[in-house]
Amino acid sequence: DTGVSQDPRHKITKRGQNVTFRCDPISEHNRLYWYRQTLGQGPEFLTYFQNEAQLEKSRLLSDRFSAERPKGSFSTLEIQRTEQGDSAMYLCASSPTAGATQYFGPGTRLTVL
Amino acid sequence: AQSVAQPEDQVNVAEGNPLTVKCTYSVSGNPYLFWYVQYPNRGLQFLLKYITGDNLVKGSYGFEAEFNKSQTSFHLKKPSALVSDSALYFCATQTLGNYQLIWGAGTKLIIKP
Repeated sequence: DTGVSQDPRHKITKRGQNVTFRCDPISEHNRLYWYRQTLGQGPEFLTYFQNEAQLEKSRLLSDRFSAERPKGSFSTLEIQRTEQGDSAMYLCASSPTAGATQYFGPGTRLTVL
Repeated sequence: AQSVAQPEDQVNVAEGNPLTVKCTYSVSGNPYLFWYVQYPNRGLQFLLKYITGDNLVKGSYGFEAEFNKSQTSFHLKKPSALVSDSALYFCATQTLGNYQLIWGAGTKLIIKP
């Protein structure tokens, strides 16, 4: 399967714990996006990378959130000191170039107890 | 600021009947418009997009969408609905610059046998 993959698919954690999610984009896609989706809502943009460079972060992304794409391939999204409000589906998408169609992974569903 | 609106939370259609899922947009300049579908506990699947050219765009699974500049609409259509079309449908527009997707709230499509 050459689609976007995300790991884990589900994560349950206690408030205050740190969590890390991984996204593997489609091979050779240089753009990688992170979005967050809460129940009953459309996704909201969090951040994006062009190759290894993180070019923009949404104001939604507090200092507790950090994302990396160290070699321009896979990306990680870490949330420190999780809060119940962080419970959501975290979606990753990739595209071959700027403005091209974004293809999404299955998402990581985070539940913070 | 760019935005899209999906005025219907839910659309109910009998199997075999035509379906329409509505989307209106507010974009300065030429809009890039997309439709995605989301099945339960799954990521978003790309259906079709309008960038420029023919106002009628054909996409996956027999779906099509009509771009109407005067009405600032981009409604999703299918001539004959299938029960398997039941899902959550999202309209989105893409910003220039970082090319993030700005999403509507989604429309739940229910196809009844």
